[in-house]
Amino acid sequence: AQSVSQHNHHVILSEAASLELGCNYSYGGTVNLFWYVQYPGQHLQLLLKYFSGDPLVKGIKGFEAEFIKSKFSFNLRKPSVQWSDTAEYFCAVNEGTGANNLFFGTGTRLTVIP
Amino acid sequence: DGGITQSPKYLFRKEGQNVTLSCEQNLNHDAMYWYRQDPGQGLRLIYYSQIVNDFQKGDIAEGYSVSREKKESFPLTVTSAQKNPTAFYLCASSTTGHGYTFGSGTRLTVV
Repeated sequence: AQSVSQHNHHVILSEAASLELGCNYSYGGTVNLFWYVQYPGQHLQLLLKYFSGDPLVKGIKGFEAEFIKSKFSFNLRKPSVQWSDTAEYFCAVNEGTGANNLFFGTGTRLTVIP
Repeated sequence: DGGITQSPKYLFRKEGQNVTLSCEQNLNHDAMYWYRQDPGQGLRLIYYSQIVNDFQKGDIAEGYSVSREKKESFPLTVTSAQKNPTAFYLCASSTTGHGYTFGSGTRLTVV
């Protein structure tokens, strides 16, 4: 089975700081990659996804992620965070194409201080 | 609007009872999933179903059961055999090339 590692459990930043959250996965074949966000008291929302093509993916709310196949990584970035970005962020991976299972990392809690 | 509806939002269960969590989708997605979310552990897959009348165990299926009699519905039963059922349960659906859509979750507490 896949394993997905998110290296940072809790990240605390001041507003306007830059953000990078790490995500590594274990599967060597074709993968689809996702970042989800869960705001306090809300359900999971898709930030961005990578299926194929340009490895630099832009998502909602100014987030982007870069797929580096050689490093099995899909790190999430944002140049300047806002207080409203305070949430939990989950990296997820599924194998190949089709409606396959989604494997999640343990999540990173981001706290942005105004 | 299309989406996934989970009910109830909060559920309390006495020890030894079975409870059923509802999940309905109107997205016409073929696949549906149940995840359990615990603090610090991310989301773990309980059961999934790729098509109607078929489902497979996920990583933590013990103490749970599901059915998939209709494409739109994928109810999860938490049985008395589940030793630590208190958690947040998320239902999701997917279709090829479009990622996953999640419901708003059910928080189950054993009292």
